[in-house]
Amino acid sequence: GAGVSQSPRYKVAKRGQDVALRCDPISGHVSLFWYQQALGQGPEFLTYFQNEAQLDKSGLPSDRFFAERPEGSVSTLKIQRTQQEDSAVYLCASSSQRGHNEQFFGPGTRLTVL
Amino acid sequence: AQTVTQSQPEMSVQEAETVTLSCTYDTSESDYYLFWYKQPPSRQMILVIRQEAYKQQNATENRFSVNFQKAAKSFSLKISDSQLGDAAMYFCASNGGSQGNLIFGKGTKLSVKP
Repeated sequence: GAGVSQSPRYKVAKRGQDVALRCDPISGHVSLFWYQQALGQGPEFLTYFQNEAQLDKSGLPSDRFFAERPEGSVSTLKIQRTQQEDSAVYLCASSSQRGHNEQFFGPGTRLTVL
Repeated sequence: AQTVTQSQPEMSVQEAETVTLSCTYDTSESDYYLFWYKQPPSRQMILVIRQEAYKQQNATENRFSVNFQKAAKSFSLKISDSQLGDAAMYFCASNGGSQGNLIFGKGTKLSVKP
């Protein structure tokens, strides 16, 4: 594809609902990152995949957050039993190699938990 | 742990003038990169410029240049001949280690006055 895409672009959930956020990285990109961006803040790292392997999940804020990339391309970030503090924009980025290469960002999914 | 600090929440510049955005960072990594990303209101993050820490020469990309002071751990962005389209949030970021996940500052909102 032309770039990183994410869906849905907007999601409203009632507190306690489960949500799933999808990321389609640039075709062939090995590395995939998820970030959480609270209102008025810079993005914060959540988790990292190299192909299908989740190599770092140290940024996931709680065990309600789960991410997967089973075939090494599309990734899904799942949040169980959403809370109001989960409201944020969730950004996905992909990179052609591990390490210091440029990360290409998607447009993000704005999650609002009521 | 790596940290990135942007001390200017908002900046303003007159069209065609020059503006400098400040950034300081702290890292224990010996091999790292520094980035400036632009995030327009549509929220898609775009890479503006990248600096490899082992290179002494400051990076430049057209109207954008950096002043990289490694000893002072300072990494400022200079935008020359500012254009209305430069109005956006600007984030300074660093990475390090083999994974390459980014550590962002809180951002500087740049306004450009016609």
